Parts: sequence; C-alpha cells; structure tokens
Amino acid sequence: DTEVTQTPKHLVMGMTNKKSLKCEQHMGHRAMYWYKQKAKKPPELMFVYSYEKLSINESVPSRFSPECPNSSLLNLHLHALQPEDSALYLCASSQERWGGTDTQYFGPGTRLTVL
Amino acid sequence: AQKITQTQPGMFVQEKEAVTLDCTYDTSDQSYGLFWYKQPSSGEMIFLIYQGSYDEQNATEGRYSLNFQKARKSANLVISASQLGDSAMYFCAMRPYTGNQFYFGTGTSLTVIP
Repeated sequence: DTEVTQTPKHLVMGMTNKKSLKCEQHMGHRAMYWYKQKAKKPPELMFVYSYEKLSINESVPSRFSPECPNSSLLNLHLHALQPEDSALYLCASSQERWGGTDTQYFGPGTRLTVL
Repeated sequence: AQKITQTQPGMFVQEKEAVTLDCTYDTSDQSYGLFWYKQPSSGEMIFLIYQGSYDEQNATEGRYSLNFQKARKSANLVISASQLGDSAMYFCAMRPYTGNQFYFGTGTSLTVIP
C-alpha cells in the first residue's frame, strides 16, 4: 500500500480565515513533506519533517505553520493568506533511507483558492 | 549544487508509438537516486520508476523504462506503446546521498494524439 491521503480536496478561503490542511500515511514512513505547486511548474518544497521533527523550512512565510502530531499525520495551518498563495498543496512521504534510494509518494493534493 | 534539466517543455506522440522524455542532472554525489513522476490534470503526482546510481541495469516498469547513462548524467524516460491516458506532465527528480530533499526538473507536458 503506497497511499497518502489529503483532506480537503478543495478549499476556498478568505484572507482573514484560518484553515488547516491534513495529510495522513500508514506506510510507516518517517519523513513527510509539504510542497506548493503552481500550474505547469514543478513542486516547490516548503517543509520536511524527519522522525516527527522539522528538518527543513524553506523560508516559508509565517502565515503557513506546519505541525506533525505523530509519525502518520502532517498538518498545515493556514492564516491570513494572500491571493498569491492559491496553488495545489501536495503532501508526500518517504521511508527516510540514505543513499538516494528513498522513494517519495505523494497524496492527491489540496487545491487552495484564496479570495 | 543539485540541478535537474528537462529541455522539452511540450511533446506530442501518436497513440501506440514510443516516446522519449529527456532528463539531465548535475550532482557531485557518487550515490543518488533518479525518479520519474507523472502528473495528470487531476494533480496527483504518481511515482513511475526509480534508478539508483549504482544500478548496472536500466530500470523497467511495464511500459516505462529508464535509459540511464551515468557518464553523460542523463536519465531519459521511455514510454512504449503510448496510450491516451499517458497525456500528462512528467517530472524527473533526483534524491542525493545525503539530506532528505528531492530536486525536480521543470517538467515535460506530453500529449498523446489519437
């Protein structure tokens, strides 16, 4: 089973709203990732959690706040977003193996629209 | 620095024909992994195929094969017998030996023509 689930599938929010994106995997993976992707562009890395600790934060604005409650769950809390934050948000997980053999599996994504 | 280059922004292929999508990479690591992902218009990134830098054989997965030329630092994806459902964006990616970051190319949009 290589399934990563994400909810919600679509989200429309105003600039003053607070919302959260949720990601879940039950593959025993120890690394989880958040990406932001604009249309026709590659995914841009936002955050990486390794063994439930934040290991990479790619200078993401503080209006995005990640949380890893346990090894299977990853949340992205959104607050005071801007219209330019509208994008596809992808979650991924991997086993966290060294040597370049780690394979990343992605969820279906959340399409976020900020009005 | 790690860099992935996909020089074909868009490609067209006739149904049932084979197509090659190009990918070159730049890394100073001796050990690394190379990956191809497919992204249909629905948005999900689907893992297709993996090649390890020390693998002597080219990777194959059904209709997908990876033409790995280590000295040229290229990892081209070959799709045989194209189907209409193969129309999608295709991303080449690399995971170096250390760290847990994956590096993506800019993608190739493939359209299969009936």
